Amino acid sequence: DVKVTQSSRYLVKRTGEKVFLECVQDMDHENMFWYRQDPGLGLRLIYFSYDVKMKEKGDIPEGYSVSREKKERFSLILESASTNQTSMYLCASYLSGRVSYEQYFGPGTRLTVT
Amino acid sequence: AQSVTQPDIHITVSEGASLELRCNYSYGATPYLFWYVQSPGQGLQLLLKYFSGDTLVQGIKGFEAEFKRSQSSFNLRKPSVHWSDAAEYFCAVGAKSNTGKLIFGQGTTLQVKP
Repeated sequence: DVKVTQSSRYLVKRTGEKVFLECVQDMDHENMFWYRQDPGLGLRLIYFSYDVKMKEKGDIPEGYSVSREKKERFSLILESASTNQTSMYLCASYLSGRVSYEQYFGPGTRLTVT
Repeated sequence: AQSVTQPDIHITVSEGASLELRCNYSYGATPYLFWYVQSPGQGLQLLLKYFSGDTLVQGIKGFEAEFKRSQSSFNLRKPSVHWSDAAEYFCAVGAKSNTGKLIFGQGTTLQVKP
């Protein structure tokens, strides 16, 4: 089974801090995604990466950056955390060309910015 | 614009009753359609998916969904709900592509009464 892990389940940070959210997948998937989940808004794509060092902006990239130095690891960076970035963050991975086209999700990181 | 709408934000059903969660989409190409479930404190798990062929698809946990092209809908159904089905449900649409990008609906929270 594919396993996607996220470094923290819960995180509390102060306004202005630099925050790193880490995601690791163990199935050699090329594509990885970072979503933000808010009540009533569903999942919104922040960034995705289709290969090492390759990335594309999603629908809400403002205030975020990403890093993918190794295939299995995709990091989301909040350069200067703000209270409006308090949210649930979900990471997912996907094997390019796979027939099922299924995204596999990690358990999520609930981030609170105070 | 491509979008997914889940008209019901919150639904409450009695245990043993039938369930239908609605999903409508707007998508230019032939859509690939998915339903995911998120149990409290968990990531998203794939329930079922539709790519082509039989418009009635079966999924895990006794769920099924029917693709109706004329109505741009992909409603999720279960004949008899169990208390463990209480969760948030997301409909998503994508295209056959190497990126695997999906557009998610807003989500429907299901509460099950004993």
